[in-house]
Amino acid sequence: DTGVSQNPRHKITKRGQNVTFRCDPISEHNRLYWYRQTLGQGPEFLTYFQNEAQLEKSRLLSDRFSAERPKGSFSTLEIQRTEQGDSAMYLCASSLENYQPQHFGDGTRLSIL
Amino acid sequence: QKEVEQNSGPLSVPEGAIASLNCTYSDRGSQSFFWYRQYSGKSPELIMFIYSNGDKEDGRFTAQLNKASQYVSLLIRDSQPSDSATYLCAVKSSGDKLTFGTGTRLAVRP
Repeated sequence: DTGVSQNPRHKITKRGQNVTFRCDPISEHNRLYWYRQTLGQGPEFLTYFQNEAQLEKSRLLSDRFSAERPKGSFSTLEIQRTEQGDSAMYLCASSLENYQPQHFGDGTRLSIL
Repeated sequence: QKEVEQNSGPLSVPEGAIASLNCTYSDRGSQSFFWYRQYSGKSPELIMFIYSNGDKEDGRFTAQLNKASQYVSLLIRDSQPSDSATYLCAVKSSGDKLTFGTGTRLAVRP
């Protein structure tokens, strides 16, 4: 059990650029979640997948954000036309099935210049 | 009213003492409850989870749930300096997403 893996660990980009993050869940976990965390706050839900199906997306998530899990394994989160307010830690988690605990990866820290 | 509320702290306890961390939630339909530990600059690490009213013990940690009072707590016995971290309470209501509190910062004094 190698844990949830996220890449890159850090991303620094200029405002207006597009960025993409990758998450590899724990093997055999069919649920995958994305959260965002800013300083002093708890993680905030963005979206989640069961296998390749995106089952829920936060209403707070703007159209600039898109997530995919094309083969039900790894997932990508893309942010288009980044803004200063997108600076945060982006966390991925996975679980075996519904109501099972979610395990987090190390996160990707995004900094917008 | 926030969905999940925690005292931000810091909660300061001496080494060897019991640390008591509290959390209240607003959705009476909430089904499962989780405690995560987060060191500065790191990601959340699962400590405990509880689904039924009562106590659940795992080593030095005890989670307590009272659904009637919409209250969940985490007790850490024999606190160690390495327990110093932010403790996040998370609640799962409808769907499969977790709703987190802002966390309580715990400082264990040697």
